[in-house]
This record gives sequence, structure tokens and C-alpha cells, in this order.
Amino acid sequence: AQTVTQSQPEMSVQEAETVTLSCTYDTSENNYYLFWYKQPPSRQMILVIRQEAYKQQNATENRFSVNFQKAAKSFSLKISDSQLGDTAMYFCAFMKVSGYALNFGKGTSLLVTP
Amino acid sequence: ETGVTQSPTHLIKTRGQQVTLRCSSQSGHNTVSWYQQALGQGPQFIFQYYREEENGRGNFPPRFSGLQFPNYSSELNVNALELDDSALYLCASSSAREYEQYFGPGTRLTVT
Repeated sequence: AQTVTQSQPEMSVQEAETVTLSCTYDTSENNYYLFWYKQPPSRQMILVIRQEAYKQQNATENRFSVNFQKAAKSFSLKISDSQLGDTAMYFCAFMKVSGYALNFGKGTSLLVTP
Repeated sequence: ETGVTQSPTHLIKTRGQQVTLRCSSQSGHNTVSWYQQALGQGPQFIFQYYREEENGRGNFPPRFSGLQFPNYSSELNVNALELDDSALYLCASSSAREYEQYFGPGTRLTVT
């Protein structure tokens, strides 16, 4: 079974600053996908960024980037130039290439302050 | 392009009752997955439907069941409701050609 661990229950960052959210996972699979989802108070789970394990290059989507360390089974999310609208719960998730289920961590609550 | 929609938004039921939650998949998507998100937790996979058949199931009892219709919309049915079934139920749709899952806004179920 795959487990996803997010060790930071809560984090806070000032507007325009950079913050990094941590995620580690445990799997015996070699091919898989990793995701970061954002869940604002509106509850809608929004896909922020994705990473295929076979790609060595770290994914980037505008202000969001990841640091994927396959050997260490680490997948952190960096948010640059934080904005008030980034305030949300952030979930790290894992899915096997041959699978269908997303395995989520418990989430990190991020608060962006003015 | 129409996103994933779910109904109802909120629902209050009594222990022992049955409930049906509905989900319409995003345009072009033929696969629907259901997740249960308890308060303060990450979502837990319930099951997935593809071509009107259950394609995979998480660690949930048989009183959690589902359907997928020819238009790819889906229902989640829960029988004999228990207090621990109180949660946000999320539906996600995806395409067989892509692996990303896109979520709806969820249904908040409260069991009293």
C-alpha cells in the first residue's frame, strides 16, 4: 500500500514571499504520478501541479514548482510570490501508473497574510 | 467546457437512512471516481466507475454502492447510514487517455 505523509499541519507566509510545503511517500512502485491539489474554503479540490515519476525534470506551473527527489521519495511544493488567494489546504497525492485511486496525505493548511 | 458538478450541496440524514448523491462528469470524461473526506483529513478513495462498471474499490463496506449511466454521470448510494458517514463526498472525473482527475465541489453529508 502507498502512504503519503505531509508533516506540516499548518504553515504561514507573508504575501509576496516564498513558501515550501513538504511531502514524502512510501511505495514499491517504479512508475507513478504525484500531484499537489489545493482546496480553498469553497471546498473545490483544484489540481495545482503534476509530476510523472519517469521524468527527471521538475514540473513548473507559473508560481508553483516542485522538487521531486525520487530516491528520497520526496515531493515538495514551492509557491513563489505568495498571494492572498493561495490561502487553502494543500494536499499531496500519489497514484500508480497502473492504478485508478489517488492516495492523499492529510494536508497542510497554508495561510497567506498581508 | 463544463466542469464536474455534484448535487445536492448539503444533506442531513438520520442514522439508518439511505442517501443518494449525484455527479455529472466533465465534458469528454468517461471515468468517475468517488472519495470521502472526513473533517480535517485527506480524501479517501471509495470506488471508480468506467463504462458503467466498477473499475476499482477502496476499503469501504458494501453498503457503499454506485452506478454510472450511459452519459457518464454517476450516483453514490449509501445504505444504513452511520454517524461516521458524516463527511464531504467528492466526485472526480477523468478521461481514459489522461490520468489527471478533476473534482467537483462536493456534497456535505451530515448524519444525526
